[in-house]
Amino acid sequence: DVKVTQSSRYLVKRTGEKVFLECVQDMDHENMFWYRQDPGLGLRLIYFSYDVKMKEKGDIPEGYSVSREKKERFSLILESASTNQTSMYLCASSSDGADLGARRAYEQYFGPGTRLTVT
Amino acid sequence: ELKVEQNPLFLSMQEGKNYTIYCNYSTTSDRLYWYRQDPGKSLESLFVLLSNGAVKQEGRLMASLDTKARLSTLHITAAVHDLSATYFCAVDMKGSNYKLTFGKGTLLTVNP
Repeated sequence: DVKVTQSSRYLVKRTGEKVFLECVQDMDHENMFWYRQDPGLGLRLIYFSYDVKMKEKGDIPEGYSVSREKKERFSLILESASTNQTSMYLCASSSDGADLGARRAYEQYFGPGTRLTVT
Repeated sequence: ELKVEQNPLFLSMQEGKNYTIYCNYSTTSDRLYWYRQDPGKSLESLFVLLSNGAVKQEGRLMASLDTKARLSTLHITAAVHDLSATYFCAVDMKGSNYKLTFGKGTLLTVNP
């Protein structure tokens, strides 16, 4: 089974702090994603990465950056946390299909989520 | 820009009844996914639909895909309380092999 883990389930930070959210997957997946989930807005993609050291902006990258130094780990960084970044953050990973075939390729597997509160 | 719309957003139904959740999307897509989320939990993959006419069934849930109409349905048969959850559909845009665009989700409550 695919396992995606996130460093914290709950996190409370103060405005202006630098915040690191870590995500690790154990299935050798090429692609990794960071989403935020807010009531009434669904899931919105912040950043994704399709290879080590590669990243692309999603729909709402402002105020965030990411780092992928190793294939299994994808970090989300809030450079200076603000109250409007209070949210549930979900990490996901997927294969590019080379070894799984089309049926399971690109299917995203999600971590348990980190509920971040910025005060 | 790919848009994904689900309806209804809220669904309250009685046990034993049938109902359908609809997912419309705006542009050509390679794949459509259905996920379930229990309160306070993460998303769990239910179905992956890969081609026009695809139908998948798991227990009381059945998902189908009509790529010409850009429509997927999630049909619930004889609902039970354990199906209470939020259901999301997600679509990836043709040519964009990595990114999913999610609908806003349907909060399903099954009452005894």
